[in-house]
Amino acid sequence: ELKVEQNPLFLSMQEGKNYTIYCNYSTTSDRLYWYRQDPGKSLESLFVLLSNGAVKQEGRLMASLDTKARLSTLHITAAVHDLSATYFCAVDSINDMRFGAGTRLTVKP
Amino acid sequence: EPEVTQTPSHQVTQMGQEVILRCVPISNHLYFYWYRQILGQKVEFLVSFYNNEISEKSEIFDDQFSVERPDGSNFTLKIRSTKLEDSAMYFCASTGGGSTEAFFGQGTRLTVV
Repeated sequence: ELKVEQNPLFLSMQEGKNYTIYCNYSTTSDRLYWYRQDPGKSLESLFVLLSNGAVKQEGRLMASLDTKARLSTLHITAAVHDLSATYFCAVDSINDMRFGAGTRLTVKP
Repeated sequence: EPEVTQTPSHQVTQMGQEVILRCVPISNHLYFYWYRQILGQKVEFLVSFYNNEISEKSEIFDDQFSVERPDGSNFTLKIRSTKLEDSAMYFCASTGGGSTEAFFGQGTRLTVV
């Protein structure tokens, strides 16, 4: 069974700091997703990573994928309060898409 | 922008009753998923569906659950006899048909009393 491990589970950051969220998975994948979820809301797609070495950036968030290590990272640069949310990675392997446990990010002034 | 639509947004049901959660995936998508999320917890995979049959299902998806695509647009999740622990947000997602993204609906909040 496809397993996805995400860490840390909780992350409290000061505004302006950098940090990285890690996502490991257990089998080969077709694609890897990063989602953002605000309390009581649905999952908002941030990135889709398809191939080894893929890197995508949007604003202060950058995601990368290393398929050989079965590892994806979500890097946060110069965090701002608006980034406070829960971030999930999800791995899709032959129509079986599983989520990590989520990282609850709190950015403090 | 195309979107996945789920109805109802909130359903309250008595324990032991049957509920049907409805989803309208994006029209040219081919792969459909149901997930549930107990409040504040992780997103749990229930089932995936392709070519009018179940592709994968988790250990949560036991005999009380079923899925159907009764026509060309709707994708439903039925819970036959609800339990208190079925209270959660249920999300539908779809992908495929040339799209690399998996889009999620807004969810149905199911409350079993």
